[in-house]
Amino acid sequence: SQQGEEDPQALSIQEGENATMNCSYKTSINNLQWYRQNSGRGLVHLILIRSNEREKHSGRLRVTLDTSKKSSSLLITASRAADTASYFCAPKSVNSGYALNFGKGTSLLVTP
Amino acid sequence: GAGVSQSPSNKVTEKGKDVELRCDPISGHTALYWYRQRLGQGLEFLIYFQGNSAPDKSGLPSDRFSAERTGGSVSTLTIQRTQQEDSAVYLCASSQDSANTGELFFGEGSRLTVL
Repeated sequence: SQQGEEDPQALSIQEGENATMNCSYKTSINNLQWYRQNSGRGLVHLILIRSNEREKHSGRLRVTLDTSKKSSSLLITASRAADTASYFCAPKSVNSGYALNFGKGTSLLVTP
Repeated sequence: GAGVSQSPSNKVTEKGKDVELRCDPISGHTALYWYRQRLGQGLEFLIYFQGNSAPDKSGLPSDRFSAERTGGSVSTLTIQRTQQEDSAVYLCASSQDSANTGELFFGEGSRLTVL
């Protein structure tokens, strides 16, 4: 199965600003998921967007999906210091097994 | 339990020793995954179990690594003759049915340090 590639690798913003992270992938997907990781421990699922959806919202999170460009973006609005974490995307491929693969993530730092 | 439970949370061992890491998935979850994450890196897929099917072992880095899942629930990842490059956080995740949503629920990981 494929993995997503997150961009940028690192992002530093101030509280209140918006943070945008991008994910690119290579083959057709069923869905794409975003996860968050604090301090190198377990990942927490944030949001799942299906291949037939173009945009999805959850609280201050907004995810878009462009299957023609094989890309997705995660927008965090009005960021807080507590949003500091690493963010990973995980594209779920159509025909390549069940395992989800994760890239290196985007490391987000939100300073007060 | 309410979430995925992993033990030990931290393990320090000497090079050449064997280690066992345990994962207790969410009750009723049929799929179970092991990942490895080296410091500052992404997650490397190691192995995947789905129900009673043969596991997908394609991510295991060498024959020193093995895993089993007994009774479709608890899983143990065993690393034999540990090497310093095995130092990493080993993450376990489970999901209800990977064919449907694929949403994974992760444990807090087992941090392995090989001296």
